[in-house]
Amino acid sequence: QVQLVESGGGVVQPGRSLRLSCAASGFSFNSYTLYWVRQAPVKGLEWVAAISYDGAYKSYADSVKGRFTISRDNSNTSLYLQMGSLRAEDTAVYYCARESSGRWSPFDYWGQGTQVTVSS
Amino acid sequence: EIVLTQSPGTLSLSPGERATLSCRASPSISSTYLAWYQQKPGQAPRLLIYGASSRATGIPDRFSGSGSGTDFTLAISRLEPEDFAVYYCQQYGSSPYTFGQGTKLEIK
Repeated sequence: QVQLVESGGGVVQPGRSLRLSCAASGFSFNSYTLYWVRQAPVKGLEWVAAISYDGAYKSYADSVKGRFTISRDNSNTSLYLQMGSLRAEDTAVYYCARESSGRWSPFDYWGQGTQVTVSS
Repeated sequence: EIVLTQSPGTLSLSPGERATLSCRASPSISSTYLAWYQQKPGQAPRLLIYGASSRATGIPDRFSGSGSGTDFTLAISRLEPEDFAVYYCQQYGSSPYTFGQGTKLEIK
């Protein structure tokens, strides 16, 4: 079955960096666009970054552009989010999610999330 | 950026009742690109409805979606105890994909 498992979250000081990982299994990893979506405490869902099936196309929310980098390793079926210059407002649960079928599709599978807390 | 506004913020109902949740888009979107998700505490969102009215795999038929243009609706015909959760709409027809702020469905 499809599984997405995030890791790498934790408590980090403002201005520091953190790298999140998402290990995928149960599907043809190199055929799907993948996303990072975050949810701040008691808040809604916010799209953070996206990467195409081959890694050639990447896009970012304005709130993280220039600070976060999304990447993937198709040989290891893993998705990454390198987060830099972290701010208090980046505190959230970060989910990886799969776009169900090609471009302009909903997210049919999500990981369980990893908590990132930015605090001094 | 397309803004989705959900109402009400909180809906208090009893098991067995019918729930109607609203999602308004600005500007309008194609119904092809509107989804609904359910999220329970401590869990990831789960896809319920896509294309405004198509149920995702394994979703009970008491869940139904409708709408077009700017106004979309998620209806739950007879509430079961496990249906009490937060519901989000999402548009995926225009980048960036955006979510509504959510409707909390709570037990009355």
